[in-house]
Amino acid sequence: QSVLTQPPSASGTPGQRVTISCSGSSSNIGSNYVYWYQQLPGTAPKLLIYRNNQRPSGVPDRFSGSKSGTSASLAISGLRSEDEADYYCAAWDDSLSGQVFGGGTKLTVL
Amino acid sequence: QVTLRESGPALVKPTQTLTLTCTFSGFSLSTSGMCVSWIRQPPGKALEWLARIDWDDDKYYSTSLKTRLTISKDTSKNQVVLTMTNMDPVDTATYYCAGFGPYYFDYWGQGTLVTVSS
Repeated sequence: QSVLTQPPSASGTPGQRVTISCSGSSSNIGSNYVYWYQQLPGTAPKLLIYRNNQRPSGVPDRFSGSKSGTSASLAISGLRSEDEADYYCAAWDDSLSGQVFGGGTKLTVL
Repeated sequence: QVTLRESGPALVKPTQTLTLTCTFSGFSLSTSGMCVSWIRQPPGKALEWLARIDWDDDKYYSTSLKTRLTISKDTSKNQVVLTMTNMDPVDTATYYCAGFGPYYFDYWGQGTLVTVSS
């Protein structure tokens, strides 16, 4: 069981906007930054969002992150077929003194 | 250019000790704010953080695996080593090392698949 809770799956059609949630607690999301990763099949995770809502250079502005209390969300607008991947949220957990990941959300572009 | 590469055995037997080496370039683990973590991913499953070592030699371990893990660094060789004792088939996974730093300094190796089987 992952410390951060994500829906196992999400889907949308090209052009749509989809949102993936990530629920945690006061010791992780509630008190630390949230990071989002995209993992394409057979590849290492790639950073999409850092510090809750910041995009690294090169990440399209179709990807956005937000955080409220002990929950966070990743939004993908203008969905494209190449967005089909697994998405993970991550945060530091003060109680565990370690990094925690969500269980991952498999995004399908219909 | 930042690169990280994991190396180690592809196959280990149950009860054996796994030793993985992360060799990196493009950054220094003696620079303030830098760290290297190990993360693993069983086939078809989620990412699991294992351990982290900081530039100042602070170390952090997964609470569930703490008794089995040791992380160390050799700054002169730009290497981080992870050992995991008493390997079990459930430890079969792709093991990644990743370098992290300020802002969006976030680089991962390609991962190495370790299979635990007799």
